[in-house]
Amino acid sequence: DAGVIQSPRHEVTEMGQEVTLRCKPISGHNSLFWYRQTMMRGLELLIYFNNNVPIDDSGMPEDRFSAKMPNASFSTLKIQPSEPRDSAVYFCASSWGPFTGRGEKLFFGSGTQLSVL
Amino acid sequence: GQQLNQSPQSMFIQEGEDVSMNCTSSSIFNTWLWYKQDPGEGPVLLIALYKAGELTSNGRLTAQFGITRKDSFLNISASIPSDVGIYFCAGSSPGANSKLTFGKGITLSVRP
Repeated sequence: DAGVIQSPRHEVTEMGQEVTLRCKPISGHNSLFWYRQTMMRGLELLIYFNNNVPIDDSGMPEDRFSAKMPNASFSTLKIQPSEPRDSAVYFCASSWGPFTGRGEKLFFGSGTQLSVL
Repeated sequence: GQQLNQSPQSMFIQEGEDVSMNCTSSSIFNTWLWYKQDPGEGPVLLIALYKAGELTSNGRLTAQFGITRKDSFLNISASIPSDVGIYFCAGSSPGANSKLTFGKGITLSVRP
């Protein structure tokens, strides 16, 4: 079975440009999570969806970040305009079962390495 | 917010040795999870613990949910080179709006 698929694997862009990260969760999973990983802050939860509905976006750093989940098999995380401090690895993860928000058994994608110059 | 403490940041062991890692929290958790992250990949779930005192094994890995509910331990026995990676603990506390919190991780190096 295919796991969580993220694209692109690497993204290099210039400050001010728009960046869109994409995620396809595991088929049948009903919760989707976006995380950001940096050396300084570790893994941070940005936002999560249940049944395509955003449940908690309190981790989104600022208005430059937005996420959508138009259907059960696709989600995007957009940064506009991007800044150098946004450079990080962005992970998408999905899970299934009764919704708790705790996302215990998360299945992670391979991540998108974002570099904003 | 909730914090999980993992230390040291890095560990270096010889192949064949056992290694133990722990994770502590400032608050009570009702779920403890251990993940491993290989270079260039996302974290992969190793063991999940849901009950205080629970001891669970997965091959050479054994993890325990601390009795106080504020800590958890992961042991790796007879380490091999492919055990190299970053080991994260994660947990969630009781409550409807609780979210999973991750520790900063411990980078494990195994010398052949």
